[in-house]
Amino acid sequence: NAGVTQTPKFRILKIGQSMTLQCTQDMNHNYMYWYRQDPGMGLKLIYYSVGAGITDKGEVPNGYNVSRSTTEDFPLRLELAAPSQTSVYFCASARGQGPYEQYFGPGTRLTVT
Amino acid sequence: AQKITQTQPGMFVQEKEAVTLDCTYDTSDPSYGLFWYKQPSSGEMIFLIYQGSYDQQNATEGRYSLNFQKARKSANLVISASQLGDSAMYFCAPGENTDKLIFGTGTRLQVFP
Repeated sequence: NAGVTQTPKFRILKIGQSMTLQCTQDMNHNYMYWYRQDPGMGLKLIYYSVGAGITDKGEVPNGYNVSRSTTEDFPLRLELAAPSQTSVYFCASARGQGPYEQYFGPGTRLTVT
Repeated sequence: AQKITQTQPGMFVQEKEAVTLDCTYDTSDPSYGLFWYKQPSSGEMIFLIYQGSYDQQNATEGRYSLNFQKARKSANLVISASQLGDSAMYFCAPGENTDKLIFGTGTRLQVFP
């Protein structure tokens, strides 16, 4: 069972470039999330989705966009990359609201130079 | 906005001893859940234990248990019989309606022989 997969594992971007971080889950979870983790810090929520076609902003959405066209996929788009977006990005999914743990992907380490 | 406080940036414990990691939070929502996650040096996020705000008893999961004091808004993680593999970052994450988690800054635990 693959769980939550993320690609790529590592990426270096130049300032102003764009990219899409891919996230796929095979657990038929309705809820999906994108977090970023800066060095020495906890995770901060960027965007989340409660089902296909429904997305909402989290704590730090500026500079990012998301879409949710299927239950399985929740890509995160970075437009005009900036050094402040250097971070580790985690995708997660959960069965729903309530006492359901979030299952995390392995993360994508992004450096913007 | 929720505020989460993990006051211990670093903790040391000897193998086989118990250790308590502190977490206090501030929420006005009467219905919330409290999650603890472990992040080893490899980077993945591992779910440990969950406590619902209406649960009558403290949550336990193997060697992990929560000292949940609802009135004080405190949910300290107790790890019994520490093992070398417990060395990691530990994050407390309360969630109102548990659809959005807010992560604390974490506590780094080091277990020594």
